[in-house]
Amino acid sequence: QSVLTQPPSASVTPGQSVTISCSGTSFNIGSKSVNWYQQFPGAAPKLLIYNDNQRPSGVPDRFSASKSGASATLAISGLQSEDEADYYCASWDDHLHRPVFGGGTKVTVL
Amino acid sequence: EVKLLESGGGLVQPGGSLKLSCAASGFTFNDFALTWVRQPPGKGLEWVSGASASGSSLYYADSVKGRFTVSRDDLTQTLYLQMNSLRAEDTAIYYCAKGLSRGVIAPLHFWGRGTLVTVSS
Repeated sequence: QSVLTQPPSASVTPGQSVTISCSGTSFNIGSKSVNWYQQFPGAAPKLLIYNDNQRPSGVPDRFSASKSGASATLAISGLQSEDEADYYCASWDDHLHRPVFGGGTKVTVL
Repeated sequence: EVKLLESGGGLVQPGGSLKLSCAASGFTFNDFALTWVRQPPGKGLEWVSGASASGSSLYYADSVKGRFTVSRDDLTQTLYLQMNSLRAEDTAIYYCAKGLSRGVIAPLHFWGRGTLVTVSS
C-alpha cells in the first residue's frame, strides 16, 4: 500500500494527451514538493519533474505538472509511442520523516 | 559525466547478509545526498535509505530499520548499504541515486543501473 495514490494504468492514442493524478495528504504533497519519475522497462528511473513543476534539462516541454492542495498531476501532451513507460510521483512525508512514492502508473500508447 | 555503479548484489539465504556498494564519479561527492531505492520484481519503487551530503543525517524505511545500515566514504566516493537479517521480501533491484542537493529531501536527479538482490533458500 503506497502512501501516495496513483491510478495503476492509463491508455491513450498517439497524439492525444494524458493526465496522471497523485493523491497524498497534508503531511506530504500538501506541504512538500512533488517530483515525478519516468521508468522504461528494464531501465532505471529518470527524474522527469521536480519541485512540483520544474523540468530538468533535456526533458521535453510536452511534460508538465501541477499541484493543488494535497494532489498533484502530471500531464503529457502529444503522446508518442516512446512515452510508453511507468510514471511515479514522490514527495517527502513530514509524518513518516522520509520520502514516499506513489504506486506508479503504466502509460500505454494504443 | 555523472556515474553511479552499484555492485554486491546476489543470491543469499534468508537470515543472511549482503553489503551493497555504489561507486560514484563525475561530481563532488560530499556536496550531494545519496539514496538507496529498491524495486521488487514487477512492482513499484520503494525508498529504502538515505544519507545527507555530510553523512550526519541518515534515514531508513520502517521495513529495514534495525537491519540495514547506510554509510558513505568520501575518500573512495562510495555509498554502502549493509543488509543483515535478510528476508524474502527484501528481494529487489537496489538502485543508488544522487540527490539534486545536500539534503535527503532533494529530488533524485541521477540513478545507477541497479543491482539485484535475491533472498531465497
